[in-house]
Amino acid sequence: DAEITQSPRHKITETGRQVTLACHQTWNHNNMFWYRQDLGHGLRLIHYSYGVQDTNKGEVSDGYSVSRSNTEDLPLTLESAASSQTSVYFCASSDRASGRTEQFFGPGTRLTVL
Amino acid sequence: SQQGEEDPQALSIQEGENATMNCSYKTSINNLQWYRQNSGRGLVHLILIRSNEREKHSGRLRVTLDTSKKSSSLLITASRAADTASYFCATEPYNNNDMRFGAGTRLTVKP
Repeated sequence: DAEITQSPRHKITETGRQVTLACHQTWNHNNMFWYRQDLGHGLRLIHYSYGVQDTNKGEVSDGYSVSRSNTEDLPLTLESAASSQTSVYFCASSDRASGRTEQFFGPGTRLTVL
Repeated sequence: SQQGEEDPQALSIQEGENATMNCSYKTSINNLQWYRQNSGRGLVHLILIRSNEREKHSGRLRVTLDTSKKSSSLLITASRAADTASYFCATEPYNNNDMRFGAGTRLTVKP
């Protein structure tokens, strides 16, 4: 069955370190998204991609970057982790080619920055 | 900024009762979607209603959309303990494909 996976599921890091969160989907979806979820804020869009070599900034992109070298993967990099980036991160994908916009979510990565 | 805002923030009901959650948004939309999130899990898509639709059903779910009031409601009928979760509305704005999520309603269904 097609799925979307995230790794690691839990990560503890120190302020100033570079961290990369992986997202891999086997849906063959064009669109991929990264969100962060914090209490009281719902999900906020960090970056998104509509296809290979395409990346776009979302609502809260400062301090984060993504790259899309193939259809399946959209890694999220925190260039220099800050305590404010402690959060739960969700990756999602959708199939723009079909015109359907509902998103399929991964299980999340809980990141703690000390 | 959040596009959708759910109301209430938390709702507690007995099994068998109906649960109604509301969502308000600010800009013109292509569609509005409802998602469910169980504790510690990712979101799962429940239902999508397009801007030219007023009501949609899926099993025990009923969604309404009032574009003049920029609001939507999600009704879960005959609730079960397994319906305990957080429910989020998400809006796809008219002029782009980025969905905006609200902060969610935490539903607790007591057996």
